[in-house]
Amino acid sequence: GAGVSQSPSNKVTEKGKDVELRCDPISGHTALYWYRQRLGQGLEFLIYFQGNSAPDKSGLPSDRFSAERTGESVSTLTIQRTQQEDSAVYLCASSAGGGVGSPLHFGNGTRLTVT
Amino acid sequence: DQQVKQNSPSLSVQEGRISILNCDYTNSMFDYFLWYKKYPAEGPTFLISISSIKDKNEDGRFTVFLNKSAKHLSLHIVPSQPGDSAVYFCAARGSSGTYKYIFGTGTRLKVLA
Repeated sequence: GAGVSQSPSNKVTEKGKDVELRCDPISGHTALYWYRQRLGQGLEFLIYFQGNSAPDKSGLPSDRFSAERTGESVSTLTIQRTQQEDSAVYLCASSAGGGVGSPLHFGNGTRLTVT
Repeated sequence: DQQVKQNSPSLSVQEGRISILNCDYTNSMFDYFLWYKKYPAEGPTFLISISSIKDKNEDGRFTVFLNKSAKHLSLHIVPSQPGDSAVYFCAARGSSGTYKYIFGTGTRLKVLA
């Protein structure tokens, strides 16, 4: 079956512009996560959606970052007024639920470069 | 604060020998742990997991050990193969409230032929 799909795979934008990143999770997966990986660093949690519950936004680094998810399908991560420190690979993952035994399945990420 | 730590940024192992990757955590409420492998320009791939009610889980060449009293887990790969060369991340999840996963900073494994 299809895995997690992210688009675009690469995005170059000018400082100050807004960008929107898209994630299509695995069909039927109720949980969706966004992470970011800066060069040479680990995976930094951004936001987590689980079904119709309120999302856990505790990892969003500033109010320039926001994310939405429609039901149990597509999610978009929006970064407003991009800064150079936003340059990173943004990874989306989905899982069948929040329970033990439901590992995360990642997409290949969107590499964002802010010039 | 770094709740999940991988203190070795890199490791080199000869093909056929054992690779041991280590991970330490600070939150005693973590109840589910996972290991991922990541190749360049790809997303992390799930390898193996372990629940806090167990101390060992095995899947083929991969075994994960959990020592709850020490808040330590390790991934053993035996025998190591050149295709295992990648960055390995451990991750941990809390048992209640939000189910977000906290990842370590990764260990780059190089298996020498």
